[in-house]
Amino acid sequence: AQSVAQPEDQVNVAEGNPLTVKCTYSVSGNPYLFWYVQYPNRGLQFLLKYITGDNLVKGSYGFEAEFNKSQTSFHLKKPSALVSDSALYFCAAPTGGGNKLTFGTGTQLKVEL
Amino acid sequence: DTGVSQNPRHKITKRGQNVTFRCDPISEHNRLYWYRQTLGQGPEFLTYFQNEAQLEKSRLLSDRFSAERPKGSFSTLEIQRTEQGDSAMYLCASHEPSSPLHFGNGTRLTVT
Repeated sequence: AQSVAQPEDQVNVAEGNPLTVKCTYSVSGNPYLFWYVQYPNRGLQFLLKYITGDNLVKGSYGFEAEFNKSQTSFHLKKPSALVSDSALYFCAAPTGGGNKLTFGTGTQLKVEL
Repeated sequence: DTGVSQNPRHKITKRGQNVTFRCDPISEHNRLYWYRQTLGQGPEFLTYFQNEAQLEKSRLLSDRFSAERPKGSFSTLEIQRTEQGDSAMYLCASHEPSSPLHFGNGTRLTVT
């Protein structure tokens, strides 16, 4: 079984600064990990995923995530934050069969001018 | 727009009433999922279908909840005898194998 944890409820960053949203995982076997973003009153949008291969995964809207096996982490990063990046971010991992995802509790990202 | 469509967007109902939500997935996606999301939480898995077969139901899905996907296309989620604790955003998602989940914008249920 796989589970994920997001230790920060909220992250604040100034526009133009790099951002990091943290996620740690607990897995049995090879981890499959995902990041999704949710804007107010909307569904979740896929950003990126890690299956195997390169530890640095590039995704949508300039986001990337670094898989770190020794630290069991999969942090989401962006070199230069935009105000429009302000949203709720979820880390997720599949559990059981059928590719159903278990989501973390979410991290609210606030990017300010 | 060929994304996942959910109707209605909002539903306000009185406790004890029945409600039904509809989800139209992306047409070529054979897998369809229902999730529930409460304020400040991540989505929680409720159930999923492969074509018309309901393959798994979460323990969160009480006997008052039922989901169908009769022709392997759209799906409905019905809640009978609603309770205030059912108030949440109900999200539908679909995908084909090896592709990410595509979510609809959800149906927000408020039980008064």
